Amino acid sequence: RKEVEQDPGPFNVPEGATVAFNCTYSNSASQSFFWYRQDCRKEPKLLMSVYSSGNEDGRFTAQLNRASQYISLLIRDSKLSDSATYLCVVNRGYGQNFVFGPGTRLSVLP
Amino acid sequence: GAGVSQSPRYKVAKRGQDVALRCDPISGHVSLFWYQQALGQGPEFLTYFQNEAQLDKSGLPSDRFFAERPEGSVSTLKIQRTQQEDSAVYLCASSLLAGEAKNIQYFGAGTRLSVL
Repeated sequence: RKEVEQDPGPFNVPEGATVAFNCTYSNSASQSFFWYRQDCRKEPKLLMSVYSSGNEDGRFTAQLNRASQYISLLIRDSKLSDSATYLCVVNRGYGQNFVFGPGTRLSVLP
Repeated sequence: GAGVSQSPRYKVAKRGQDVALRCDPISGHVSLFWYQQALGQGPEFLTYFQNEAQLDKSGLPSDRFFAERPEGSVSTLKIQRTQQEDSAVYLCASSLLAGEAKNIQYFGAGTRLSVL
């Protein structure tokens, strides 16, 4: 089993739609969780950290389920500018060794 | 500078050639990371520095790969005797190691290496 797995995608959704991405991780010792977005041929940029109690930033909501080792990202009212690849990032539970998932590509269509 | 700077942006090398990739992190950032990203994949961890100390190099794929950060700021990733499978984007990231910004990584634009 891969350390971090994500929905394979791609997700093609109309503007205004709500879309959810899932991510699972295998290391129960992991402590830090993030969602990054990466535009085509650009570098990854932090979208949001994921906290144990769940957190929201505008149209974006992240949830963490430690028992199931599962992270989710919900995007409401999708915009064309949300089109990107979304990367789930988890640390290995020690030091600063981070594992990126393969990414889920989202295309928001007009 | 305002962000993480990497150079060169593009590098074409002949198989067997040595290359050196440079990363200039955000000023004051203690941690520095190197990642390798193949087309259509997420970044793969290569190595991590805290100041000048290389604390984790478990992701370096072979002994042809070497990284250094001698003064705790600029870092260089060197690949000796490049092979075609080394073709990828090499990303550098830096982060603070304190406060709420701990563990948030800021990436450079990457160096796209093509080995012919």
